[in-house]
Amino acid sequence: EVQLLESGGGLVQPGGSLRLSCAASGLTFSNYIMNWVRQAPGKGLEWVSAISGSGGSTHYADSVKGRFTISRDNSKNTLYLQMNSLRAEDTAIYYCASLNGGYSAPIDYWGQGTLVTVSS
Amino acid sequence: SYVLTQPPSVSVAPGQTARITCGGNNIGSKSVHWYQQKPGQAPVVVVYDDTDRPSGIPERFSGSNSGKTATLTISRVEAGDEADYYCQVWDSRSEVFGGGTKLTVL
Repeated sequence: EVQLLESGGGLVQPGGSLRLSCAASGLTFSNYIMNWVRQAPGKGLEWVSAISGSGGSTHYADSVKGRFTISRDNSKNTLYLQMNSLRAEDTAIYYCASLNGGYSAPIDYWGQGTLVTVSS
Repeated sequence: SYVLTQPPSVSVAPGQTARITCGGNNIGSKSVHWYQQKPGQAPVVVVYDDTDRPSGIPERFSGSNSGKTATLTISRVEAGDEADYYCQVWDSRSEVFGGGTKLTVL
C-alpha cells in the first residue's frame, strides 16, 4: 500500500521559514515525479512545485518562485519543501502528491496534508 | 499562464445527470484529469487522460474533451457524489488546476 506522510507544518511568523517533509512508502520512490499542492482554508487546489524522479529537474508556481525550494532524497524515500520569506497568503494545507507517469500524468497518490499557518 | 475555468457550483437532483465543465485555451490538445474532494479529505482522481477511469471508480463517471472545453459527466447522481470537483492539466512546466466546482445533490 502506498503511503505519503507529510510533516513539518505549523505556525510561523511572516518572513519566517519552514521545511516540510514527505516520507513515502510502498512505491519505488525514485521512479516518481513528486509534487507539492496546497489548499488555502476554504479555497481550491493550487499547485506549488514539482521535481523529477532523479531530482535533476524542478518546477515552481510563479507565486512561490525564488522563495520555495523543492528537493528529494531518494535514499531516504523523502520529499522536501523548503519555504522561506513566508507570507500570510502561504497559509494552507500542503499536500505531497505523486504522478503516475510523466508530468502530464494524473496525481495518483496524495498524502493527508500538513497545515502551515503564517501569522504574527 | 494557462487558466482553467470551472463553474463555482452545479446542483442536480438524485438520479439525474450532472455535467461539470472546464474551459481552457485549446484544452482539447491536452490531457485533462478530474479529481473529487470531499470535506476533510485529500482529492481522489475520478477521470484521467480525458476519458479513462481508475479502477474502483463507478462507470457513472465519464469525461470528454474537445476544443475549448472538457466535461466531467456524472450519471445517475447519488447523494455520496456531493463534493468539490477539480480539473487539472500540465501546461509548459506547470500543473494547472481549475478553480473547482461544488456539486450539490438536491
